[in-house]
Amino acid sequence: AQTVTQSQPEMSVQEAETVTLSCTYDTSESDYYLFWYKQPPSRQMILVIRQEAYKQQNATENRFSVNFQKAAKSFSLKISDSQLGDAAMYFCAYRSSRNNRKLIWGLGTSLAVNP
Amino acid sequence: GAGVSQSPSNKVTEKGKDVELRCDPISGHTALYWYRQSLGQGLEFLIYFQGNSAPDKSGLPSDRFSAERTGGSVSTLTIQRTQQEDSAVYLCASSLLVNSYEQYFGPGTRLTVT
Repeated sequence: AQTVTQSQPEMSVQEAETVTLSCTYDTSESDYYLFWYKQPPSRQMILVIRQEAYKQQNATENRFSVNFQKAAKSFSLKISDSQLGDAAMYFCAYRSSRNNRKLIWGLGTSLAVNP
Repeated sequence: GAGVSQSPSNKVTEKGKDVELRCDPISGHTALYWYRQSLGQGLEFLIYFQGNSAPDKSGLPSDRFSAERTGGSVSTLTIQRTQQEDSAVYLCASSLLVNSYEQYFGPGTRLTVT
């Protein structure tokens, strides 16, 4: 069975600085998708970025980028130029590319942004 | 257009009572997912629908939990004889197709069983 591990329950960063959130996963599959979701206090889960396992190039969305290391089964999220609005819970999630469409989640990292 | 909506936003119920949680997916989305977010346990998959059928019910924790979807739209998650361990936030998500990358989430229903 696939598992997702986020080893940092809490992180903090100064406004305008860069922070990296860690995620590792375990799977025997070769084709899958990885996601980072953001959950602010409103509870609404928002997709931040996704990575297809077959792509070697790391995904980037504006200030958000990932470091995808397939062999190491590592998928970290880098937030550059951190803003107060980035404060939230961040979840790493895995989804198989085969018939099982459910997301498998890590326990989350609570990110605080200090002014 | 409108996003995924869930009702009620919060529900407090007494142990042993039945509750129904509702999810309205984005119009036209064929796939619908239910997840449970418990304190300290992260999110866990409960069930998903493709149209009105549920190919994967593997995450339902017990036979007290059931879900249905009608008209390829609204879904209801029912918990019978609620227990305190059922207290959690229940999140619903939908996607255009079951193969779609992105699942769009609703704001969740916070269930408290006293």
